[in-house]
Amino acid sequence: NAGVTQTPKFQVLKTGQSMTLQCAQDMNHEYMSWYRQDPGMGLRLIHYSVGAGITDQGEVPNGYNVSRSTTEDFPLRLLSAAPSQTSVYFCASRKGDTSGYTQYFGPGTRLTVL
Amino acid sequence: TQLLEQSPQFLSIQEGENLTVYCNSSSVFSSLQWYRQEPGEGPVLLVTVVTGGEVKKLKRLTFQFGDARKDSSLHITAAQPGDTGLYLCSSLNSGYALNFGKGTSLLVTP
Repeated sequence: NAGVTQTPKFQVLKTGQSMTLQCAQDMNHEYMSWYRQDPGMGLRLIHYSVGAGITDQGEVPNGYNVSRSTTEDFPLRLLSAAPSQTSVYFCASRKGDTSGYTQYFGPGTRLTVL
Repeated sequence: TQLLEQSPQFLSIQEGENLTVYCNSSSVFSSLQWYRQEPGEGPVLLVTVVTGGEVKKLKRLTFQFGDARKDSSLHITAAQPGDTGLYLCSSLNSGYALNFGKGTSLLVTP
């Protein structure tokens, strides 16, 4: 299993540009999440999904859109990039049952918005 | 959303020293997890604690869950440079996504 994969690994955008961060998992996990990590702020939840076709907002959703058309994929879209969105973005997935909730993280996407 | 407070924020020690980091909340945890994140990588789960008073050991790492399930600690014995990283505690947020503290950044120098 590849686990959770993210592309690209690095990205530089200009203010106002749009882009999609890709996330895929091959573990058949129901739950997937997007976090951003900024120095001194820990991991903050952007959006999450409990299954295909179901998404919800997290702590910092403004400026981001998500959709979940398949169990495997959970892309994060930046509609109009702003310098405040410069961050490291992590995608994560876990099983949806209560037997345990180990969350598996991707390697991250480092985004710089100029 | 449950607020998780971690302390200290930074810790720099020499190889061989012992250390303890803490995770606290004003409300009860249903369960709590500790993750370690190495530079340039995503967090990796170390342990899950569920029962108040529970103690779990992972080699030189000892995890303790408070009796009231409002706090947890991670103790590292004889720290090594390989222990360097960001240590994060987390709890379930409304049963769906995980909520994280800001982390303790540990540097162990030879």
